[in-house]
Amino acid sequence: GAVVSQHPSWVICKSGTSVKIECRSLDFQATTMFWYRQFPKQSLMLMATSNEGSKATYEQGVEKDKFLINHASLTLSTLTVTSAHPEDSSFYICSASPPSRDANTEAFFGQGTRLTVV
Amino acid sequence: AQKITQTQPGMFVQEKEAVTLDCTYDTSDQSYGLFWYKQPSSGEMIFLIYQGSYDEQNATEGRYSLNFQKARKSANLVISASQLGDSAMYFCAMREGRTGNQFYFGTGTSLTVIP
Repeated sequence: GAVVSQHPSWVICKSGTSVKIECRSLDFQATTMFWYRQFPKQSLMLMATSNEGSKATYEQGVEKDKFLINHASLTLSTLTVTSAHPEDSSFYICSASPPSRDANTEAFFGQGTRLTVV
Repeated sequence: AQKITQTQPGMFVQEKEAVTLDCTYDTSDQSYGLFWYKQPSSGEMIFLIYQGSYDEQNATEGRYSLNFQKARKSANLVISASQLGDSAMYFCAMREGRTGNQFYFGTGTSLTVIP
């Protein structure tokens, strides 16, 4: 099946620094990728939709300047957590689906990134 | 209104028994897909099973089956012959034909298999 690769799988950074997380679709082109945040024992919260060649669409309450998204190619989207603070510590996970006109294509997820800000 | 509702925060099942995880959905689209994902403690999201809105038969994948009741807008996951490795979070999700790529997730059910 299709593969989405996310890197790094975990990162520890100091407060005030920035962290970049990469999400790659390895065997299909993805014009759209999704970034989620997940707190322990909770569901995935959609943060933003990453659109290749255009600006990302952010969900209400998500700071655009805090969580920078760049979808520079059809196989790569990046999420940069800028000026990270301890409250940004969380599990971040991306997903993408091969292009499809209907609703029957599953979402493929990256492995997730566990971010800890100290 | 919530697109996907999972009313069971936690479930326990004896090893080798069957368990049903509930999921109801809300959509006005005629074309949609329903998905179940498993998330073990490692965090990865593992696709389990898919049901299309036009599928007349319930989907099955090995020990997983989906009890699809369209009129009631429910898509319950049935796991037969539970194994210890089934202990994980389970998420029901929906993709609407109208909104394209976006998936809507439920709040999840934490399943614990007891030896």
